[in-house]
Amino acid sequence: DTAVSQTPKYLVTQMGNDKSIKCEQNLGHDTMYWYKQDSKKFLKIMFSYNNKELIINETVPNRFSPKSPDKAHLNLHINSLELGDSAVYFCASSPVRGPNSPLHFGNGTRLTVT
Amino acid sequence: ILNVEQSPQSLHVQEGDSTNFTCSFPSSNFYALHWYRWETAKSPEALFVMTLNGDEKKKGRISATLNTKEGYSYLYIKGSQPEDSATYLCAFYNFNKFYFGSGTKLNVKP
Repeated sequence: DTAVSQTPKYLVTQMGNDKSIKCEQNLGHDTMYWYKQDSKKFLKIMFSYNNKELIINETVPNRFSPKSPDKAHLNLHINSLELGDSAVYFCASSPVRGPNSPLHFGNGTRLTVT
Repeated sequence: ILNVEQSPQSLHVQEGDSTNFTCSFPSSNFYALHWYRWETAKSPEALFVMTLNGDEKKKGRISATLNTKEGYSYLYIKGSQPEDSATYLCAFYNFNKFYFGSGTKLNVKP
């Protein structure tokens, strides 16, 4: 019944590895997002997709690549992981784009790079 | 970079106390302000979507007000209960994205 689910919940990996985080929403929403919680606990937008189309691509290293095979899924692939990538990553969705549409979040993936 | 500030950073109250906290945001080009409740080990959940100056929204014992001209929103909790313990986030919408504050962590002691 989970509305926005992301896997894995925890990810521990070594520098230089490539890893993916998966996200699925069963709410029928058009828009999906990836947020990163930084060291000061702020949630910062990384990417946003609307109906599988990339609409927001923040200043994020090229090592981060989102992929949306359909509008219910938005996966995040990270190449050549670095220590500074350690953070909690949140997937979210909203019914439509725009300011009036509340975000529905997944439970987060805690990534630790050693 | 837009600054969205929340105060206080944390708050400890006794059960039954009423409390409030603040979200400050830029007063120009306002589109919307959201409030979210984030309980430990869970994901943030939307409380209110506020779009008009003077908006007041209420959900049970929790209410929020909005002043877009001066750039602030207040969240009020009346008669706090231990289950209200959570981090309360505000998010300001501009330039097609949300800018989140760092949250106010509320702890309600029984």
